[in-house]
Amino acid sequence: DAKTTQPNSMESNEEEPVHLPCNHSTISGTDYIHWYRQLPSQGPEYVIHGLTSNVNNRMASLAIAEDRKSSTLILHRATLRDAAVYYCILRGITGGTSYGKLTFGQGTILTVHP
Amino acid sequence: DARVTQTPRHKVTEMGQEVTMRCQPILGHNTVFWYRQTMMQGLELLAYFRNRAPLDDSGMPKDRFSAEMPDATLATLKIQPSEPRDSAVYFCASGLERRGNNEQFFGPGTRLTVL
Repeated sequence: DAKTTQPNSMESNEEEPVHLPCNHSTISGTDYIHWYRQLPSQGPEYVIHGLTSNVNNRMASLAIAEDRKSSTLILHRATLRDAAVYYCILRGITGGTSYGKLTFGQGTILTVHP
Repeated sequence: DARVTQTPRHKVTEMGQEVTMRCQPILGHNTVFWYRQTMMQGLELLAYFRNRAPLDDSGMPKDRFSAEMPDATLATLKIQPSEPRDSAVYFCASGLERRGNNEQFFGPGTRLTVL
């Protein structure tokens, strides 16, 4: 599986934007970029995913570099409820037994200050 | 609001005992995953089912762990015999596998403590 690299931790103030980076220099042309987050004492939850173009949804935006070797998850206005571990994960689109697998790394611990 | 449910939420047992964890995936989902989370190892995939068939259980210790889907509404993860190193939070997730996205919906987890 192609690897991702994320900072161990980041801090933000409430109501400010947060940019969470992810490096994936060995990404293949068929890998999707997925972001999940895990709130304290909960299971992970899906945030957003993309392939080549930038993506927006109600939770966040995903900015993907032109060469796809890095991406940034953007929380436009951080709230205290956004404090979580954020995971950047690559997932292939080819079939077979590994198609649906998500391999979680250590993620980025986001702390949001009031 | 469809959710993945897991039982029990907490389990304390003694070394050597059998432990069974249950998961009810979201109705209509065709994939089920079992993960284990510890402080040291993070989130690890143990087993993966598609249409109730086991696809990948390479992350699971075969001698003591077993995962099954008796029917589409139930997935089980069994540990026999349990050991203290099995203490962890076990998450079940389900999803509808399709090209481009395979969003996984996670349950609340079973926190297992083996004494």
